[in-house]
Amino acid sequence: RKEVEQDPGPFNVPEGATVAFNCTYSNSASQSFFWYRQDCRKEPKLLMSVYSSGNEDGRFTAQLNRASQYISLLIRDSKLSDSATYLCVVKEGQFYFGTGTSLTVIP
Amino acid sequence: NAGVMQNPRHLVRRRGQEARLRCSPMKGHSHVYWYRQLPEEGLKFMVYLQKENIIDESGMPKERFSAEFPKEGPSILRIQQVVRGDSAAYFCASSPIQGPRLVDLMNTEAFFGQGTRLTVV
Repeated sequence: RKEVEQDPGPFNVPEGATVAFNCTYSNSASQSFFWYRQDCRKEPKLLMSVYSSGNEDGRFTAQLNRASQYISLLIRDSKLSDSATYLCVVKEGQFYFGTGTSLTVIP
Repeated sequence: NAGVMQNPRHLVRRRGQEARLRCSPMKGHSHVYWYRQLPEEGLKFMVYLQKENIIDESGMPKERFSAEFPKEGPSILRIQQVVRGDSAAYFCASSPIQGPRLVDLMNTEAFFGQGTRLTVV
């Protein structure tokens, strides 16, 4: 069983759309959660940490449901520059990465 | 504060040769993680090291692969007798010292280097 599971997509959405990504994790003792973004052939970069109370950064909202072991990322008003792969990450000692969800925002 | 530095950025090796990949973590970071990414695939954990210690090597192939993080100098991922299937992007990440408090566990995200792209011909 994978530590972190994500829907790989791809998600193809028009500019301005709202899109949501979901992720589940297997270790209930996990303490830290993140969303990373990876552009083609580049290194992953932190998009945002995910806090228990949920948190927002501009057009991005992250939610954590510990009871269901579920993390989500909501992107509002999608921009062309949001096109990338979004990686769900859970930290329990080492960092466990999901395989990523591919997003393409279409003009 | 320089970011995580990996070198070389690109490495070409013939089958049977050795590949050495270097990673210098961010200043003040004592935790290093190595990941492998095959084309069109996700990041696969390989090994987690602290200075002079291997914490978790559950993702490392049992043969030909080794990693170290000495007291001085960069972390090294070493692949002996490379084969075509070793061709991939190898990313290194570092994170700060982890303390006992919950707040120390929070926000200790990993910072990635730009990766080394290994091609075995």
